[in-house]
Amino acid sequence: EAGVTQFPSHSVIEKGQTVTLRCDPISGHDNLYWYRRVMGKEIKFLLHFVKESKQDESGMPNNRFLAERTGGTYSTLKVQPAELEDSGVYFCASSQVRGISNQPQHFGDGTRLSIL
Amino acid sequence: ILNVEQSPQSLHVQEGDSTNFTCSFPSSNFYALHWYRWETAKSPEALFVMTLNGDEKKKGRISATLNTKEGYSYLYIKGSQPEDSATYLCASHTGGGNKLTFGTGTQLKVEL
Repeated sequence: EAGVTQFPSHSVIEKGQTVTLRCDPISGHDNLYWYRRVMGKEIKFLLHFVKESKQDESGMPNNRFLAERTGGTYSTLKVQPAELEDSGVYFCASSQVRGISNQPQHFGDGTRLSIL
Repeated sequence: ILNVEQSPQSLHVQEGDSTNFTCSFPSSNFYALHWYRWETAKSPEALFVMTLNGDEKKKGRISATLNTKEGYSYLYIKGSQPEDSATYLCASHTGGGNKLTFGTGTQLKVEL
């Protein structure tokens, strides 16, 4: 079974540009999550999809961030325009069961985003 | 406790030593406590999901305990090996959704 895959693994862009990150969850997983780790700090929740619907987007920092999951399969996270403080590692995770669950969330390797 | 806190921040041990670290979390609205093992540039690997007070789980040389009333969990590694070197993360899952609140992790280095 393929794990959670994220693309690209690393992205370097200039302030003001746009970047789109992609996440392919484990096949059959309805739940998809985005998290972010800024250097030296803890991993923080951004949002949670159940299939194509946004279940919880309380962690999205501002309206420069747009997450989509059209068709309920892969998801994209777009940052437009990127600012210096957006640098960090963006993780995607998925889990299978709908509703509140005590299943583990399976993480991808992350996308390392550097804003210059 | 309002946030998830882990201690120590980092730990150096010798091969063969046993070690343990602590995760403290808010005890109100508790649903589950997750432990992950994370090597930089790789994906965090799920170790345990713990839900019941007094729960104890084991995976090889690694085990964990849970106290939901006082809001802490311990992770133990018996006979540390160099391949155990990693950052160990705990994350609290409180009711009302599936989001995880992470601590900053304990960075373990096992030396020969």
